[in-house]
Amino acid sequence: DIQMTQSPSSLSASVGDRVTITCRASQAITNRLAWFQQKPGKAPKSLIYAASSLQSGVPSKFSGGGSGTDFTLTISSLQPEDFATYYCQQYFDFPNTFGPGTRLEI
Amino acid sequence: EVHLVESGGGLVQPGGSLRLSCAASGFTFSNYWMVWVRQAPRKGLEWVASTNEDGSETHHLDSVRGRFTISRDNAKNSLYLQMSSLRVEDTAVYYCARRGFQDYWGQGALVTVSS
Repeated sequence: DIQMTQSPSSLSASVGDRVTITCRASQAITNRLAWFQQKPGKAPKSLIYAASSLQSGVPSKFSGGGSGTDFTLTISSLQPEDFATYYCQQYFDFPNTFGPGTRLEI
Repeated sequence: EVHLVESGGGLVQPGGSLRLSCAASGFTFSNYWMVWVRQAPRKGLEWVASTNEDGSETHHLDSVRGRFTISRDNAKNSLYLQMSSLRVEDTAVYYCARRGFQDYWGQGALVTVSS
């Protein structure tokens, strides 16, 4: 199985900051990487697919990059509604696997 | 607008069975892979199963294979997860989602396995 790791596991930031979350796969997954945002008690929301393609309706402050084994999610100009948990997931091979999540806190 | 609505969750004893349903609307259901993902209380997301457009290809997480079965009825725009031999560790919110990269999610159905 492909293992996904994320760093950091938690991140403290302020409104207006720019932050980057890293996701690493245990083997190459080309660009089959997605990012999700989840707020407490809510279903996850798709942000990015194919490593860098923005999901429809997602603001351009979110951007993704990387290929192979190393990926990033960058959020610019943090707003209060961006404080949430972020997950990466590989869909290159089954079982599709998620990273453990990064909690973004004020 | 894409809508996915799960139903069928509830409390079940260990060893019991449950069938989750996911009603899809707002898109051509038969054109998309569909997925089940779960989240145990205060834990991260875990992929459970996927099925291709016509249900001829399915994949399941090792820990549920042989106990859970994903299926679909394209005539009814519905996705299912038949769960049997349920264990305490299967307790979670179960989400259905569209496509391998889960572009749309339902609101989730809580399954509690407890005696």
